[in-house]
Amino acid sequence: RKEVEQDPGPFNVPEGATVAFNCTYSNSASQSFFWYRQDCRKEPKLLMSVYSSGNEDGRFTAQLNRASQYISLLIRDSKLSDSATYLCVVRGDSGNTPLVFGKGTRLSVIA
Amino acid sequence: DAGITQSPRHKVTETGTPVTLRCHQTENHRYMYWYRQDPGHGLRLIHYSYGVKDTDKGEVSDGYSVSRSKTEDFLLTLESATSSQTSVYFCAISELGEAFFGQGTRLTVV
Repeated sequence: RKEVEQDPGPFNVPEGATVAFNCTYSNSASQSFFWYRQDCRKEPKLLMSVYSSGNEDGRFTAQLNRASQYISLLIRDSKLSDSATYLCVVRGDSGNTPLVFGKGTRLSVIA
Repeated sequence: DAGITQSPRHKVTETGTPVTLRCHQTENHRYMYWYRQDPGHGLRLIHYSYGVKDTDKGEVSDGYSVSRSKTEDFLLTLESATSSQTSVYFCAISELGEAFFGQGTRLTVV
């Protein structure tokens, strides 16, 4: 089983739609969780960290379910500018363990 | 933006030649990483460092070596470049939280 697995996509949605991405991780001792966004031919950039209590940033909501080892990202009222690849990222259980990336889910928002 | 730069940004090299990519940071972050990104594979970890002279292998380390002689620089060396190492290489830095990425190096081995 891969350490971090994501919905493969692509997701093609109309403007204004709500879309959800899911991610599962295999290491139950993982401590830190993030969603990154990557635009074509650019470097990944942090979208938001994911906290145990769930967190929201404008149209974006991230949830963590430790029991199921599951992370989600919800995007409401999709904009054309949300078109990108979304990467689920997990860090293991100690400071010296590296960040592990999922393969990413591609989102295309269509006018 | 975090102070992280990669050099060169683009490089074309011949099979069998050695190549060194440089990652330089001005953030004094402890952790530095080298990833490669290929279609269908996402970001894969090559090597990472958790301090000066402290490095470890990632999932695709064969054919690559790294060195970190000072906090701000992390070098990735392809000892003898092969066509399978044609890729986009990203360096990243972090403390215990999120990572920040350089702009990437596009390497083509012909």
